[in-house]
Amino acid sequence: NAGVTQTPKFQVLKTGQSMTLQCAQDMNHNSMYWYRQDPGMGLRLIYYSASEGTTDKGEVPNGYNVSRLNKREFSLRLESAAPSQTSVYFCASTLTGPSDTQYFGPGTRLTVL
Amino acid sequence: EDQVTQSPEALRLQEGESSSLNCSYTVSGLRGLFWYRQDPGKGPEFLFTLYSAGEEKEKERLKATLTKKESFLHITAPKPEDSATYLCAVAGGTSYGKLTFGQGTILTVHP
Repeated sequence: NAGVTQTPKFQVLKTGQSMTLQCAQDMNHNSMYWYRQDPGMGLRLIYYSASEGTTDKGEVPNGYNVSRLNKREFSLRLESAAPSQTSVYFCASTLTGPSDTQYFGPGTRLTVL
Repeated sequence: EDQVTQSPEALRLQEGESSSLNCSYTVSGLRGLFWYRQDPGKGPEFLFTLYSAGEEKEKERLKATLTKKESFLHITAPKPEDSATYLCAVAGGTSYGKLTFGQGTILTVHP
């Protein structure tokens, strides 16, 4: 099992460019999550998908969109990147709900110039 | 709103010098308290889940405990390879699908 995988590992964008961060899990988990991690701010939830076909906003959703493509894949899209979106992005998944352990991917380090 | 505060922000220990990390939390209906380890440039790695006050879990040199207001991560006779950032998070009953994280404690163990 690869667990949770993320692509790309690193990305540099110019302000206004768009991109999609990809996440996939092979653990047959139902719920998937996108977080961002910034120095001094901790991990903050952007969006989550409790099950295939559903998505909900987290703490910091502005400027992002998500797609739960199927049970395995959950993508995060930046339509018009801003310097404030410079961060490290983590995808996570869990079997059912919040009482279950969330397993994290290796992260994508994004810089917006 | 769920809140998690970790202390200290940073902790420097000598190899073999035992200590504890603190995680204070406020949550409506605790559904789980989680401890993760994070190495530089990597994603958080799961350590423990605690569900109710009085619960304890151990793994090698680490032991996690839980009360109604806080959790402790005790590190016994640490080694340099225990150096990492330790993250605490809670899942509350009113925030389905969301973990609230603390800012972490950066642990450095010197040989």
